[in-house]
Amino acid sequence: GESVGLHLPTLSVQEGDNSIINCAYSNSASDYFIWYKQESGKGPQFIIDIRSNMDKRQGQRVTVLLNKTVKHLSLQIAATQPGDSAVYFCAETSGGYNKLIFGAGTRLAVHP
Amino acid sequence: EPEVTQTPSHQVTQMGQEVILRCVPISNHLYFYWYRQILGQKVEFLVSFYNNEISEKSEIFDDQFSVERPDGSNFTLKIRSTKLEDSAMYFCASSQTVLGGYTFGSGTRLTVV
Repeated sequence: GESVGLHLPTLSVQEGDNSIINCAYSNSASDYFIWYKQESGKGPQFIIDIRSNMDKRQGQRVTVLLNKTVKHLSLQIAATQPGDSAVYFCAETSGGYNKLIFGAGTRLAVHP
Repeated sequence: EPEVTQTPSHQVTQMGQEVILRCVPISNHLYFYWYRQILGQKVEFLVSFYNNEISEKSEIFDDQFSVERPDGSNFTLKIRSTKLEDSAMYFCASSQTVLGGYTFGSGTRLTVV
């Protein structure tokens, strides 16, 4: 079971549906953002990144949208598969520094 | 695909003991990091290391913590006198440039009893 700590919001989707995971970032000076996927017992795995001079970037089955006005980042996963089940974190950094600030995470549960 | 390798995968230690967590970053990477994740919580930055010195550290990284790159391949995190609240997953990461190729290892689960 879960230990004491942050209770992660959970997004439950059906296999094949599209998923949208949202993140509110903290620092208006942040200029680089990354989405990570974390499976149980593993380290964060890079999914996609975006710089602040862009508002959209597409990868394979994934799209990241950036709205700097409201400090909001979203990750869209097309045709979600059971293997996409994991916790997803957004991370931000600013000023050319290399410290990543992670968000709280969202658990994605994909049901067949 | 190149990987960041961490050992051990799980370490149990008694409170007050010293522990050393080991990492082998990706070979052509120049920037090295340690992060920790308390169970059920978000990943937190501890320290970054470049050109054989600490470039940035967080409030968590107090005098009980130290990092070292003892040779050309290893990057270690030492906790001098462990406390119960040090129990967490510790992730090593490395990157080729300031942000390029930022890759995490699978982590070491540290349990302090």
